[in-house]
Amino acid sequence: SYELTQPPSVSVSPGQTASITCSGDKWGEKYAYWYQQRPGQSPVLVIYQDTQRPSGIPERFSGSNSGDTATLTISGTQAMDEADYYCQAWDSSTVVFGGGTKLTVL
Amino acid sequence: EVQLVESGGGLVQPGGSLKVSCAASGFTFSGSGMHWVRQASGKGLEWVGHIRSKANSYATAYGASVKGRFTISRDDSKNTAYLQMNSLKTEDTAVYYCTTTGTTGDAFDIWGQGTMVTVSS
Repeated sequence: SYELTQPPSVSVSPGQTASITCSGDKWGEKYAYWYQQRPGQSPVLVIYQDTQRPSGIPERFSGSNSGDTATLTISGTQAMDEADYYCQAWDSSTVVFGGGTKLTVL
Repeated sequence: EVQLVESGGGLVQPGGSLKVSCAASGFTFSGSGMHWVRQASGKGLEWVGHIRSKANSYATAYGASVKGRFTISRDDSKNTAYLQMNSLKTEDTAVYYCTTTGTTGDAFDIWGQGTMVTVSS
C-alpha cells in the first residue's frame, strides 16, 4: 500500500519560515494536499493540487511538489499557525494520509 | 451555509455494531462523493472509506483495517451518508469525521465536526 512519511515535529520562531515535508514514492505522478488541524477542531484544507490555496487561506501558506517530496511552506509564521499538519494523496480510488507533523511556534 | 453534521456516535461493546450518520446541507449532495475519516485520540488521520455519487454507480472503497466490517451508504433524498460499523474492535475507538470534495473536486474542503465512537466493555 502507498505510504506518506512526515517528520513528527517541526519548530519555528515567530516571523520565520516553516517547512514541512512529506515523502512518498513517485510523488511527481500524484497531487499533494495539506490540512491544518488545531487541537479539538476538524481539519482544514490549506493547499490542494500541490500549490493551490483555497479561498480564505492566507498567502503565507504555499506548497510545492518535486520528485519524491512534497513541501508545505509557511512564510512569516504566526502563533496561530501552531497546529498539526497532514499531507494527503490519492492512490487509485483510495486516500492516504501522512502521519502528521506537529508545528510548534516558539 | 455549507455544512456536514455527524451524529450517532456512542459507547458500544467489542463485537457490537453501530451506525453513524452525516447530514449535509448547502451544496449538491447528490453529485458529491462522501468520505469517512477517523482519528484515534492523540493519533493521526486515517481514511475509512467513501461512496461515490449515483453518476458513478454509488461505488465504494474502504481502507484495509475496516474492509469487510464497515459499510458506507447514502440516501440522496435525505442528503445523508451513513457508516455502518460491525464486528467493532477496541482499536476502532476514534472520532469519526465525514468529509467531501466540495468546490475543489478532489480535495477535502468540507468537514463535519466529528462524532465519537468508543468501543469498550
